Amino acid sequence: GAVVSQHPSRVICKSGTSVKIECRSLDFQATTMFWYRQFPKQSLMLMATSNEGSKATYEQGVEKDKFLINHASLTLSTLTVTSAHPEDSSFYICSAGTVPVDTEAFFGQGTRLTVV
Amino acid sequence: QKEVEQNSGPLSVPEGAIASLNCTYSDRGSQSFFWYRQYSGKSPELIMFIYSNGDKEDGRFTAQLNKASQYVSLLIRDSQPSDSATYLCAVNMGHDYKLSFGAGTTVTVRA
Repeated sequence: GAVVSQHPSRVICKSGTSVKIECRSLDFQATTMFWYRQFPKQSLMLMATSNEGSKATYEQGVEKDKFLINHASLTLSTLTVTSAHPEDSSFYICSAGTVPVDTEAFFGQGTRLTVV
Repeated sequence: QKEVEQNSGPLSVPEGAIASLNCTYSDRGSQSFFWYRQYSGKSPELIMFIYSNGDKEDGRFTAQLNKASQYVSLLIRDSQPSDSATYLCAVNMGHDYKLSFGAGTTVTVRA
């Protein structure tokens, strides 16, 4: 399967600072990338859908000014958590898709964010 | 009503037994269905996907889909301790890659 690389795998930051997470498709061009958040012992919750060259579409309840998404190229999408607070501590996972519908999207390795 | 529902478990099975996981979904127009395995602290990895009614087998795994009943299941035969993980059912409800996930079923295989 295709490879999606997410970086960093772990990050600890101070409350009030911003953190940027990168998601790269290494061997294919991803027209669409998704950002998920997963709290302990809970399932993945979709935060936003990112399409190359256009604004991201955020799910209900997700603050777009707090979670900035940029999908500037077909191989890179970034999620920036601005003014992070301890309640933003979570596991953030990206996925990327390409070829027509019905096929799988490929997941990155995830980023464990801890805000102290 | 949640879009995708799974029994949270935990489901405990002895080594060598069959583990049976169930998933129901609310949107009758759903197109494709996925089973992911997630180890603690790791990202989900795809086990199988299924689009058509019936059974689909891949090694020790069999996915079963019944669109009329809005039900999809996963059977794990000859369960191994390495199969101990959380299994996530995901449903694609349209023509994009957006997936709705169930809460996951935790499986423990006893040696």
